[in-house]
Amino acid sequence: NAGVTQTPKFQVLKTGQSMTLQCAQDMNHEYMSWYRQDPGMGLRLIHYSVGAGITDQGEVPNGYNVSRSTTEDFPLRLLSAAPSQTSVYFCASSYLPRGYQETQYFGPGTRLLVL
Amino acid sequence: EDQVTQSPEALRLQEGESSSLNCSYTVSGLRGLFWYRQDPGKGPEFLFTLYSAGEEKEKERLKATLTKKESFLHITAPKPEDSATYLCAVSFGNEKLTFGTGTRLTIIP
Repeated sequence: NAGVTQTPKFQVLKTGQSMTLQCAQDMNHEYMSWYRQDPGMGLRLIHYSVGAGITDQGEVPNGYNVSRSTTEDFPLRLLSAAPSQTSVYFCASSYLPRGYQETQYFGPGTRLLVL
Repeated sequence: EDQVTQSPEALRLQEGESSSLNCSYTVSGLRGLFWYRQDPGKGPEFLFTLYSAGEEKEKERLKATLTKKESFLHITAPKPEDSATYLCAVSFGNEKLTFGTGTRLTIIP
């Protein structure tokens, strides 16, 4: 199993540009999520999904869109990049056997710089 | 609001010097507490899950314990390769995890 994969590893954008961060998992996990990690702030939840066709907002959703058309993929879209979105982005996935959170497995991250 | 607090923010130890990291939380129906290790430039790597007060888990030089208000990650006779940031996360009974800001551990040879 490849686990959770993310592409690209690193990206530089100009303010106002759009892009999609890709995330895929091969563990048949129902739950997938996106976090951003900033110095001193810890991991903050952006959006999450409990299954194909179902998404919901996390703690910091503004400026980001998601969709979940398959169990395996959960892309994160930046509609109009801003310098405040410079961060490291992590995708994670897990089972939801009892409707609440179990161990999440993380991807290697995407480092985004917005100029 | 459910919160997770980790202390200390940073810890420097000599090789072989045992210590503990703390993760405390405001309780609103704890469903699980998770410890992760994160190396620079990489994603968090799962270490332990604890579900109930009194539970303990061990892996090599690491031992995690859980009470009703906090968890400790005990590091016994650490080696330089144990240097990393250790993250604590809590499930409060919904689909989300709340993370602490981490403890940056440095083991000096």
